[in-house]
Amino acid sequence: QKEVEQNSGPLSVPEGAIASLNCTYSDRVSQSFFWYRQYSGKSPELIMSIYSNGDKEDGRFTAQLNKASQYVSLLIRDSQPSDSATYLCAVKLAGAGSYQLTFGKGTKLSVIP
Amino acid sequence: AAGVIQSPRHLIKEKRETATLKCYPIPRHDTVYWYQQGPGQDPQFLISFYEKMQSDKGSIPDRFSAQQFSDYHSELNMSSLELGDSALYFCASSSGGLTSRDTQYFGPGTRLTVL
Repeated sequence: QKEVEQNSGPLSVPEGAIASLNCTYSDRVSQSFFWYRQYSGKSPELIMSIYSNGDKEDGRFTAQLNKASQYVSLLIRDSQPSDSATYLCAVKLAGAGSYQLTFGKGTKLSVIP
Repeated sequence: AAGVIQSPRHLIKEKRETATLKCYPIPRHDTVYWYQQGPGQDPQFLISFYEKMQSDKGSIPDRFSAQQFSDYHSELNMSSLELGDSALYFCASSSGGLTSRDTQYFGPGTRLTVL
C-alpha cells in the first residue's frame, strides 16, 4: 500500500463548480501536509500547506485536515479552466532527520468551460 | 521573487555516459532536495542537503552522487546512465532548517533523456 493515496481521476467539473480532491496517508504521526499543482511537463507549484486539524482557506482554495481519519482534502471553489492540472498531495512522514516529501500519484483535474 | 534555478533544462545522453545536473536554491535557502519524476509517476525523493551536509537519502542509485557547495548550490552527478534514468529531475529548496513545517519550493526541472 502506498503511503499517500489519491484518486488518480480524471476528475471533471464544470467551470464555476467546486472541485474536491482527496488524499489519505498511512503514517499516523505525519505532521505536515501540502498540496501542489503540476501542469504537464512542469514543476510542482505549492498551493497550500496545512499542519493542524480543521480548515485553512486561501482565496479560492480550502485545505482540510483530519488527523484522526488520516485524511486531507483540497477544495477549489469557482473552478476555472486554468485550474486544469494534476494535483499532488504531499506528506512529510515522521522520522528523525527525515524531511522529504512523499507524494501521492496525483489527481488529474479537468475543468470544462 | 527569485526562484530555484536548474541547469540545464534539457539534456540528452547516450547509455553509459555521465551527466551533471545543477541546482541554485532560492537566496538564503539552506536546504536542497532532489526528486526524480518518471513519465506518469509522482516525484520520488533522491537525496537532500542541509548546510552542505547530506541530511537524508532516498531511492538514489549508487551510480548517482550529489553534493552541496559553500554557496549552497547543489550538483547531482549521474554515471553509467541507463534508459530508465530518463525522467524529469527536480530540485527543491527550503529555508526551514530541517523542520517539519519547512516548505519546499521546486525548480523548473531538468528533463534527461537517455538514448
